[in-house]
Amino acid sequence: QVQLQQWGAGLLKPSETLSLTCAVYGGSFSDYFWSWIRQPPGRGLEWIGELNQSGGTNYNPSVKSRVTISVDTSKNQFSLKLSSVTAADTAVYYCTRGPVGIWFGESWGQGTLVTVSS
Amino acid sequence: DIVMTQTPLSSPVTLGQPASISCRSSQRLVHSDGNTYLSWLQQRPGQPPRLLIYEISNRFSGVPDRFSGSGAGTDFTLKISRVEAEDVGVYYCVQLTQFPFTFGPGTKVEIK
Repeated sequence: QVQLQQWGAGLLKPSETLSLTCAVYGGSFSDYFWSWIRQPPGRGLEWIGELNQSGGTNYNPSVKSRVTISVDTSKNQFSLKLSSVTAADTAVYYCTRGPVGIWFGESWGQGTLVTVSS
Repeated sequence: DIVMTQTPLSSPVTLGQPASISCRSSQRLVHSDGNTYLSWLQQRPGQPPRLLIYEISNRFSGVPDRFSGSGAGTDFTLKISRVEAEDVGVYYCVQLTQFPFTFGPGTKVEIK
């Protein structure tokens, strides 16, 4: 059974770059779509973007100018970078994957709380 | 963006009784490939979300059959036939037909 394990800095200052990595254990990158989703404290879910089967990306326009999702297949990892963070980016960030037709949600990382504060 | 709404936002339910959550999208969710990509997620307190239903009515692996999904077009429903204590949490509908994928605000299910 595939496991997703994620990590990254939990406390950032405004204007810094958020960087999270999600490692995939027990599975490969082929045949799946890989997404990042975030959840501000006490609030709902927001889809940030995805890496598709072809290695292409799709991003939410709300963060498109600041976000990069990339993959390192040699390490079975994919990453999220979000630049110029503000307090509004404070959230729990989740990595997740899904096959065609499901797109995401089949497996989830444990979540990483990222707090942006001066 | 497609706007997703859910009703009710809070649902106190008696154990063993049914629960129903409605989800409405601002546009039809039929994809150009003919499928409708509407999923339901459950989020228990302190945990990542969990996929319950995909493509309106397909139960994901391991999901109890007391959960069922239905609907078409812009109106969708998640039903729990008999609520159990472990069903407490927040339920989200999400559309995956059009980018950006968008979620409903969530419905909190709690035991009376």
